[in-house]
Amino acid sequence: GENVEQHPSTLSVQEGDSAVIKCTYSDSASNYFPWYKQELGKGPQLIIDIRSNVGEKKDQRIAVTLNKTAKHFSLHITETQPEDSAVYFCAASMGSGGSYIPTFGRGTSLIVHP
Amino acid sequence: DAGVTQSPTHLIKTRGQQVTLRCSPKSGHDTVSWYQQALGQGPQFIFQYYEEEERQRGNFPDRFSGHQFPNYSSELNVNALLLGDSALYLCASSFVGGSTDTQYFGPGTRLTVL
Repeated sequence: GENVEQHPSTLSVQEGDSAVIKCTYSDSASNYFPWYKQELGKGPQLIIDIRSNVGEKKDQRIAVTLNKTAKHFSLHITETQPEDSAVYFCAASMGSGGSYIPTFGRGTSLIVHP
Repeated sequence: DAGVTQSPTHLIKTRGQQVTLRCSPKSGHDTVSWYQQALGQGPQFIFQYYEEEERQRGNFPDRFSGHQFPNYSSELNVNALLLGDSALYLCASSFVGGSTDTQYFGPGTRLTVL
């Protein structure tokens, strides 16, 4: 089955700095890569996603890049703010017709210091 | 538009007991997936329900069972509870006919087994 590795496990930055979280996946058939943000006591919330036919996607301060050859993808957050502090999960999945079942990484705890 | 809702929020049970968790999907969604999230880990896929049938299943024992109702809501049942079943149980909904098949998570049910 799919295996997703996520690094680092903890990331501490100063407000205004950039943050980068990296993930690798094992199954070259994976074609959908969502990123989730989970705040304390809440469920994961989708923040951005990318499909295998796209190399990069951006939404305001958040961007995701995908390298299919190397089987790795990354989340980039620019101009970090204290409210960005949370646990971030990457995931990889394959399928179609509603059968996407994501395999999650172990998460990165992002701490943004004011 | 209501998102995914889950009940109860918290639950405390003792070993050997049985528990039922409930989930209502996001409006317009027809597929429900259940995940187990242990402390400090990413969500682990339990199973997925579509058209009132279990469509896919992860690596969980038969003690974990589920049901989907005609209104697309779902239940997760766990029998003969073990201490290791203590976790946050997440429900996610999606729409088979959608363009993204993105899963949207509820806030979860925190289960503690004593």
